[in-house]
Amino acid sequence: AIQMTQSPSSLSASVGDRVTITCRASQGIRNDLGWYQQKPGKAPRLLIYAASSLQTGVPSRFSGSGSGTDFTLTISSLQPEDFATYYCLQDYNYPRTFGQGTKVESK
Amino acid sequence: EVLLLESGGGLVQPGGSLRLSCAVSGFTFAGCAMSWVRQAPGKGLEWVSAISGSGGTTDYADSVKGRFTISRDNAKNTLYLQMNSLTADDTAVYYCARHSSSWSTPIAYWGQGTLVTVSS
Repeated sequence: AIQMTQSPSSLSASVGDRVTITCRASQGIRNDLGWYQQKPGKAPRLLIYAASSLQTGVPSRFSGSGSGTDFTLTISSLQPEDFATYYCLQDYNYPRTFGQGTKVESK
Repeated sequence: EVLLLESGGGLVQPGGSLRLSCAVSGFTFAGCAMSWVRQAPGKGLEWVSAISGSGGTTDYADSVKGRFTISRDNAKNTLYLQMNSLTADDTAVYYCARHSSSWSTPIAYWGQGTLVTVSS
């Protein structure tokens, strides 16, 4: 199975900060990667698919980049509603595998 | 509006069985692959199983292979997960999830989840 290594596991940031989360795949996965946001007690929400495509309804401050093995999720200006846990998920093959998650906390 | 509503969770003893259901609406069910994803308390997300739109293709995480069976009834717009030989490690919130469309597409929509607790 493809291993997805996400970093950092947590970070502290302030409203307005630029936030970057990375995900590394154990083998090349083309651009078959999605990013999800999860708030406590809620279901995950798709933010980015195909590494860099913004899901409908997602604010443009979210962006994704990367291809092959290295991927990045960037929040250009952190908003209060963005404090949450973020996961990457490879959809290159089965079994699908998630990163361990990155918790974005208020500084 | 895409709606996914899980049911069937609850408390079950180790070694027991449970069947989860996911009733869907708002899209052409037979046209979409579906997955189950779980999240143990305080832990990350773990993909469990997937099934193609026709039901002809399935796959499982190693952790559940041989114990869990995914199925679907396209006439009833319902997804199922039969879980047997349950252990404490299976305790989690189980999410029903819809792919964008076919087998190889991303997971795009999620239900609110149903809690399964395996305990004596």
